[in-house]
Amino acid sequence: AQRVTQPEKLLSVFKGAPVELKCNYSYSGSPELFWYVQYSRQRLQLLLRHISRESIKGFTADLNKGETSFHLKKPFAQEEDSAMYYCALKGPGGYNKLIFGAGTRLAVHP
Amino acid sequence: DAGVTQSPTHLIKTRGQHVTLRCSPISGHKSVSWYQQVLGQGPQFIFQYYEKEERGRGNFPDRFSARQFPNYSSELNVNALLLGDSALYLCASSLAGSGGRGGGETQYFGPGTRLLVL
Repeated sequence: AQRVTQPEKLLSVFKGAPVELKCNYSYSGSPELFWYVQYSRQRLQLLLRHISRESIKGFTADLNKGETSFHLKKPFAQEEDSAMYYCALKGPGGYNKLIFGAGTRLAVHP
Repeated sequence: DAGVTQSPTHLIKTRGQHVTLRCSPISGHKSVSWYQQVLGQGPQFIFQYYEKEERGRGNFPDRFSARQFPNYSSELNVNALLLGDSALYLCASSLAGSGGRGGGETQYFGPGTRLLVL
């Protein structure tokens, strides 16, 4: 079965520290993975996708098929990075189903 | 463009009642997907509609139904409400519904409707 696991409910770091939000997935085919972010009082929005291999707001994520992971990383956390982060996997079939993890709350302290 | 809009923002119902939630996609988007987000969990896929037809359905009972109108707006209906239906219901729109390779379709989420069943 397809599944996304985010093992940490809360990640607390100080400003300037490196950040790694963990995401592991279970999928039998070739996965398409995304990171979504929800800032306080804002709607859920796409942060980045693995196919684009892009860096958004200093965040990067590399797909590791051997470890079935798609961890989100940033070398120096900023206070404005504090938010809820969801890892998502595109489900099978030819339609737009996303399978989300439970989310990790990132708190960046001054 | 205001983005995806949903109504109402909040709703309180009692067990056994019926509820209708509404979603208006971004102008030009033809696909609407519905998700249920229970407190402490990630969103869970309920339905996708594209060009007024159901394209996909998640693991939800038949009490949940939806439809899409010619203007691409959508309604989610839930019958015989249970306490466990209390959740945030999210609508997401995208340009097309194929979700094919090449990155899939970016889904743009609305603010959600918070439903409380007493």
